[in-house]
Amino acid sequence: AQSVSQHNHHVILSEAASLELGCNYSYGGTVNLFWYVQYPGQHLQLLLKYFSGDPLVKGIKGFEAEFIKSKFSFNLRKPSVQWSDTAEYFCAVNVYGNNRLAFGKGNQVVVIP
Amino acid sequence: DVKVTQSSRYLVKRTGEKVFLECVQDMDHENMFWYRQDPGLGLRLIYFSYDVKMKEKGDIPEGYSVSREKKERFSLILESASTNQTSMYLCASIIGGVLNENQPQHFGDGTRLSIL
Repeated sequence: AQSVSQHNHHVILSEAASLELGCNYSYGGTVNLFWYVQYPGQHLQLLLKYFSGDPLVKGIKGFEAEFIKSKFSFNLRKPSVQWSDTAEYFCAVNVYGNNRLAFGKGNQVVVIP
Repeated sequence: DVKVTQSSRYLVKRTGEKVFLECVQDMDHENMFWYRQDPGLGLRLIYFSYDVKMKEKGDIPEGYSVSREKKERFSLILESASTNQTSMYLCASIIGGVLNENQPQHFGDGTRLSIL
């Protein structure tokens, strides 16, 4: 089974700092890639997704992610974070042709005002 | 908008009890999923169902069973609850047989289950 790796489980940064969360997966075939966000006390929400086309994907709230096939990576970035970005972020991978998602262990991000 | 509803936000049960977690979706989705979410472990798939009365084991099915008698409802059952099943449980659904760009998984709000 494919695995999804997210490093640096806890990230603490100040407002206006830049954020980058790494995501690497182990499957070598065609994949669909996702980042989900879970704000405190809320349900999981889709932040952005990659299926095909431009490997630089823009999502909601100023987030973007870049798919680098040669590195099996799908890193999430935001140039300037806000206090409201405090949340847990999950990378997920779907093998093309089925309906299952494999999730990483998540990054707990805390933004200090 | 798709709505996935889990019957309880918080639930406290005792060791050895039989526990039912209920999930209902309102968009006629064929596929439904149960995950558990634990700190530092992310979301792990317990069971999923791709049609009424059909089910398949996910990555961590031990200690759980499921029931899908109606298309809109997918139940997770803990036959004899144990303390290591204390967790956040998430239900999700999607339409059709495979994920595509316009059909992401929709998640419920989660049930935080504590086994004492």
